Amino acid sequence: AQKITQTQPGMFVQEKEAVTLDCTYDTSDQSYGLFWYKQPSSGEMIFLIYQGSYDEQNATEGRYSLNFQKARKSANLVISASQLGDSAMYFCAMRGLQGGSEKLVFGKGTKLTVNP
Amino acid sequence: ETGVTQTPRHLVMGMTNKKSLKCEQHLGHNAMYWYKQSAKKPLELMFVYSLEERVENNSVPSRFSPECPNSSHLFLHLHTLQPEDSALYLCASSQENDRADSPLHFGNGTRLTVT
Repeated sequence: AQKITQTQPGMFVQEKEAVTLDCTYDTSDQSYGLFWYKQPSSGEMIFLIYQGSYDEQNATEGRYSLNFQKARKSANLVISASQLGDSAMYFCAMRGLQGGSEKLVFGKGTKLTVNP
Repeated sequence: ETGVTQTPRHLVMGMTNKKSLKCEQHLGHNAMYWYKQSAKKPLELMFVYSLEERVENNSVPSRFSPECPNSSHLFLHLHTLQPEDSALYLCASSQENDRADSPLHFGNGTRLTVT
């Protein structure tokens, strides 16, 4: 079975500083995808960044980067130059082959608060 | 209009009511999903449709009944719900159902309260 673990229920960061949100995963699949989503208080889940299990380079999207360490099974999200609008819930998710269907499995999330 | 649109945004219903949640995607995707998000629990996958055919039913009670009339629309019909069904219901779509690198795109969700 696949599992995503986010050990930080809440994180605080000062505006303009960088923050790392932790994510570890467990899977027996050889091929899988790792995703990060942002959920503001409005409820929408916003796709941020994707990392493939065979990608050799860490993914980057603007101020977001994914620190992928395959041997450790970790996929931490790094947000650089935090902004007040970054305050939200952040979910790590993984998609791999389960019973023939590529299910997206989510962690419990980390609540990020950016302080002015 | 782009993305994934869900209506209504908020819904309050009694346990004997029948209501429906609607989802529409304008991304040209082939797969659509219903997720349930309860407080302090990970998102739970409820149903998956691929090319209008249901490919996944994740042990969801029969009081939840999905319908996918075409690849752009997805409904969740609700009847005789329980208070513990109160949650945020999220619809999502993806280009493919069976690829690990195909991200899901979500709507804003419907906040359901069962009284």
